[in-house]
Formats: sequence, C-alpha cells, structure tokens
Amino acid sequence: DAKTTQPPSMDCAEGRAANLPCNHSTISGNEYVYWYRQIHSQGPQYIIHGLKNNETNEMASLIITEDRKSSTLILPHATLRDTAVYYCIVRPPGQAGTALIFGKGTTLSVSS
Amino acid sequence: DTAVSQTPKYLVTQMGNDKSIKCEQNLGHDTMYWYKQDSKKFLKIMFSYNNKELIINETVPNRFSPKSPDKAHLNLHINSLELGDSAVYFCASSQAGSVNEQFFGPGTRLTVL
Repeated sequence: DAKTTQPPSMDCAEGRAANLPCNHSTISGNEYVYWYRQIHSQGPQYIIHGLKNNETNEMASLIITEDRKSSTLILPHATLRDTAVYYCIVRPPGQAGTALIFGKGTTLSVSS
Repeated sequence: DTAVSQTPKYLVTQMGNDKSIKCEQNLGHDTMYWYKQDSKKFLKIMFSYNNKELIINETVPNRFSPKSPDKAHLNLHINSLELGDSAVYFCASSQAGSVNEQFFGPGTRLTVL
C-alpha cells in the first residue's frame, strides 16, 4: 500500500503557482520523497525527489517539512500542459529493482 | 530518440488467446519493470528485473511470464487471456543508484473481448 496521502483533486489557474501537498507521516529515515506525474494516457514521468532539503529543478520545487512528515510540490507557473495526475511516493534509494508504489495521486486541473 | 519503447501500442484480442508485449530501452539501464494500470487508473507493479534476473514478482498469475533476453529488453507474454487482463501495461527502466529515477514507456492498451 502507498505510504502517502494526497488530496484527490486540485484546480489552478494558468500562470499561477500550483502547490500540491502530500502527507507521509510514517516515512523512514532513509526513504526519499519522489514525485511523478501522468499526463492523460501517457506513461508516468519523473518530476523531482528529495530526502531532507528543499530541491528545485527545471520542472518544479519540492519543499519537505523539517520533521519530514509532509511535503509540497510547487509548479511555479502552471500551464495547461501541467494538467495531470501527480503522485507522491516514498521509497528507499538505490535498491535495484525496487518498485514505485503508486497511490491514487492528485488530479491537477489547470484552466485558462 | 525514444528512451523506452513498447510494441504494440494497442492490442485487441479474444479470450483464451496468447499474446506478447515487447519493451526495449536504449538508456543503458540495468533494471526493467512491468506495471499494470487497471480501469480505475491504479498503477501496480507486476515484475522487475535487474541484469536479466527476476527481482519482484507481485502476486501475478502464472499466465503472465516476463522474459528478458538481454538487459535492454523485457517482454511480457500472457497465456490464456481473460477479460480481467484488459488494462494498460507500462514498461519502465532505471539504473540502480541513489536516484533510481524510472523512465516509463508509452504504454500498451490491451483489450480482451
């Protein structure tokens, strides 16, 4: 079972920041927080991951609370193409063959 | 350049038939996976292979048999297809390491009539 809890859906206006929350209160010390998204009918796409510190890449920013029990994915300027299901996943790093355990995710709808 | 490719993209077949889905990755990864996404959109791991060896086999019926001829390929063969096998099947690959980002293929939509 997924170790994360996310709201089922969120709306965002185009050009605004989209803040997607995730609760992972049972996360273990060596587990990373990963975010993936699935745009309609496509394969899931990696977005970002982090352990303790906040992370930023060209797609998004990841803010992890100090106690690591929750995190927020931030899309700074959402576009219509960001409409997708966003999955927050926790897992240990680097183990060969370790699968991603997907929950229900958050369906983000970006509108103009 | 396609990183993870799957063939076919669509597969429509009758109950009881045997079919195969092929997956190839050109990323040089050492680990490959098969995931199943059912009609309710839940994504679940089926198998994972590392260096051609089976690592994960998640309570999948014996009718499903993955085959990895080399590190770049992981094919999925399904015997005696059933209605409940209808789903979208995604292949993925990754390199063991600290990030272990998984790259997914475009999916194969299997419809069993």
